[in-house]
Amino acid sequence: NAGVTQTPKFQVLKTGQSMTLQCAQDMNHEYMSWYRQDPGMGLRLIHYSVGAGITDQGEVPNGYNVSRSTTEDFPLRLLSAAPSQTSVYFCASSYSWGLGEQFFGPGTRLTVL
Amino acid sequence: KNEVEQSPQNLTAQEGEFITINCSYSVGISALHWLQQHPGGGIVSLFMLSSGKKKHGRLIATINIQEKHSSLHITASHPRDSAVYICAVRSGNYGGSQGNLIFGKGTKLSVKP
Repeated sequence: NAGVTQTPKFQVLKTGQSMTLQCAQDMNHEYMSWYRQDPGMGLRLIHYSVGAGITDQGEVPNGYNVSRSTTEDFPLRLLSAAPSQTSVYFCASSYSWGLGEQFFGPGTRLTVL
Repeated sequence: KNEVEQSPQNLTAQEGEFITINCSYSVGISALHWLQQHPGGGIVSLFMLSSGKKKHGRLIATINIQEKHSSLHITASHPRDSAVYICAVRSGNYGGSQGNLIFGKGTKLSVKP
């Protein structure tokens, strides 16, 4: 199993550009989530999904969209990038919402100029 | 006040020392996770526990539900243990987004040879 994969590993954007961070898992996990990690702060939840077709907002959802058309994939879209979205983004999955070990992807380091 | 507090924020130890990292939380929880983030950025799950004590190799995690406190111990520390250790709790209430994880800010451990 590849576990949780994320692409790209690094990305530089200009203010106002849009892009999609890809996340996929091959463990048939129902729960998937996106976090951002900023210096001096804990991981913060952006959006999460408890199954295909079901998504919800986390703590810091503004400026981001998600969809979950399949169990495997959970892309994160930046609609109009802003310097405040410069961060490291992690995708994670677990067997079920509220249960089980969380598996993290390798992260995407995003810089918005 | 943060819901999950870790101490210390930074810790430097000599190889072979016994290390303790503490985590206190203010919410009712269903589970507590200890995670390790390597210098390269990847995050792996070390323990998930809801009571008592778990041991894996040189790592021991304990939790006291009544005192809302958990500790991560590393015996016979080694330079390869150098990493950020993150405590995260899953709220015990399953309404709304309460099944998601709440993260501490992490403890940066450096073990010198």
